[in-house]
Amino acid sequence: DSGVTQTPKHLITATGQRVTLRCSPRSGDLSVYWYQQSLDQGLQFLIQYYNGEERAKGNILERFSAQQFPDLHSELNLSSLELGDSALYFCASSGVPGQVDRYTFGSGTRLTVV
Amino acid sequence: AQTVTQSQPEMSVQEAETVTLSCTYDTSESDYYLFWYKQPPSRQMILVIRQEAYKQQNATENRFSVNFQKAAKSFSLKISDSQLGDAAMYFCAYRSSYSGAGSYQLTFGKGTKLSVIP
Repeated sequence: DSGVTQTPKHLITATGQRVTLRCSPRSGDLSVYWYQQSLDQGLQFLIQYYNGEERAKGNILERFSAQQFPDLHSELNLSSLELGDSALYFCASSGVPGQVDRYTFGSGTRLTVV
Repeated sequence: AQTVTQSQPEMSVQEAETVTLSCTYDTSESDYYLFWYKQPPSRQMILVIRQEAYKQQNATENRFSVNFQKAAKSFSLKISDSQLGDAAMYFCAYRSSYSGAGSYQLTFGKGTKLSVIP
């Protein structure tokens, strides 16, 4: 157990629907990063939050949004889902930005859009 | 923007033998970190080894070692005495050492699938 908890582990939904993925960072970590792993694009950075504030955006679609709550857990919202959104979504957490040793991944949420 | 390239989509190695996975990257920065992550069928991302660009000495972790060539922007992973449990996807990743915005996201290569033959 890495200490980063992602729920649910698996999610199957239909095109056009909206889903929410949840991530609880490791105790004491303030940063949360979201990554998407798809067959054709590989692992791509989506977005980062630090202590409740957005810090950086990567290749995140406008249909996707995220937030980090006061208890530091984060949610990634995916809307108007398309078949191409099927992927493994990872959350990673770290402590103070720049702390290399504390960058830890969760086990991911497998999203299947049918 | 930084890019990471892994030119070997798949590799195989006999159990107990040595295998080297290749990675090249492109950056204009002088200080950064490089990583190798292992992703077994369980899909968990596991850190194998880390290299700081300012350190000339190659990092080692038990059976895993790297060959870091900064001028050539090359970062290969050597696995010695390969074991069945080493079979997995291996990803090379880059991270800036300093970010004014406080963001330290990883840039990944496409991965190399390693098979270990008994």
